[in-house]
Amino acid sequence: DIQMTQSPSSLSASVGDSVTITCRASQSISSFLNWYQQKPGKAPKLLIYAASSFQSGVPSRFSGSGSGTEFTLTITSLQPEDFATYYCQQSYSHPMYTFGQGTKLEIK
Amino acid sequence: EVQLVESGGGMIQPGGSLRLSCAASDLTVRTNYMSWVRQAPGKGLEWVSIIFHEASGGTTYYADSVKGRFAISRDNSRNTLYLQMNSLRTEDTAVYYCARVALWTTVTTFDYWGQGTLVTVSS
Repeated sequence: DIQMTQSPSSLSASVGDSVTITCRASQSISSFLNWYQQKPGKAPKLLIYAASSFQSGVPSRFSGSGSGTEFTLTITSLQPEDFATYYCQQSYSHPMYTFGQGTKLEIK
Repeated sequence: EVQLVESGGGMIQPGGSLRLSCAASDLTVRTNYMSWVRQAPGKGLEWVSIIFHEASGGTTYYADSVKGRFAISRDNSRNTLYLQMNSLRTEDTAVYYCARVALWTTVTTFDYWGQGTLVTVSS
């Protein structure tokens, strides 16, 4: 099974800051990596697919990069609505999928 | 606008059974790959099961944690996805989401999600 490990598990930042979240796969997954945002009590929302492609409607302050085993999600100029939990998810082993454990982004 | 609406959650004793439903609108369950994803209270997301579209034979897959106990299916006439959950354990307590699985050339994503239904397994 492919394990996905996110770091950090949580971080605090202020409005206007830039943050980076890292996701590491236990084996190479090429670019089969997606990022989701989840707010409390809500379903996850797809942000980035194929490591770096934007889902329709996602603000350009979100960006994804990486391939192989290491991936990053960067959010520049944080807005109040960006404080949420972020998950990476691999689909290399389709149709069996795994998510990272999540990174909670909190307001400092 | 695509809508997925789950129902059927509730409190059940260990060893019991429950069937979750996911009614779709503006999306045809028969012609899509559909999945269930769950989230235990305060925990992360866990993929549970997938059913391929009819053209791919409706093949099903399960996470090891639920294999042999859960069964995914669909009713084309009702445009509804189901998850039959048997031999429930306390560790199955979670919010269960249904999601559409979108297949791209380079990756597979969960692009439409329901609002979730809570299953609590407790004595």
